[in-house]
Amino acid sequence: NAGVMQNPRHLVRRRGQEARLRCSPVKGHSHVYWYRQLPEEGLKFMVYLQKENIIDESGMPKERFSAEFPKEGPSILRIQQVVRGDSAAYFCASSPRASLSYGYTFGSGTRLTVV
Amino acid sequence: KNEVEQSPQNLTAQEGEFITINCSYSVGISALHWLQQHPGGGIVSLFMLSSGKKKHGRLIATINIQEKHSSLHITASHPRDSAVYICAVSEETSGSRLTFGEGTQLTVNP
Repeated sequence: NAGVMQNPRHLVRRRGQEARLRCSPVKGHSHVYWYRQLPEEGLKFMVYLQKENIIDESGMPKERFSAEFPKEGPSILRIQQVVRGDSAAYFCASSPRASLSYGYTFGSGTRLTVV
Repeated sequence: KNEVEQSPQNLTAQEGEFITINCSYSVGISALHWLQQHPGGGIVSLFMLSSGKKKHGRLIATINIQEKHSSLHITASHPRDSAVYICAVSEETSGSRLTFGEGTQLTVNP
């Protein structure tokens, strides 16, 4: 009964490189949420996905950021051409249903540092 | 103005003290959540409530829907309670996404 697994835990990228962050939800959970925590700031919603569908991407920056949750495999948050301002902790959470009333679980996060 | 406001931002207490962290929100919600974040670590859900009061061990969470206010209490605080405590809401209009407060950094000294 593993929880939400995020990898890598720490990721260092040079400016202009691509960052790929992975999130494996709790077994049986088909709803995934990505949140970003900038240094000295609170958590902010980025995107909500179900298997093979993006449900709400209202928190995603318009450019360079994309997310997917394929039928098989983990959810991926991709950041292209990273800039220093992308340095943050990225958290994934999963839930078994669309309503959080049925419970949800957070991963330990990926700390992205752009140098 | 943030939709979710927490106070205080930082709180230092002595072991054994009773602690209260407050949260006010300005939007319609379906539920309010209290989360705990340890340094360098992940985020743990402590409570999810839409009315009244919930208790788990030394932690108590209350919510007043009319006043749009919630409190998290810790009784007999211990140094291991030191963490960031985050209030978040599930808004009525935005489905499952959470909107977070800035967090309260709690330090409990022995």
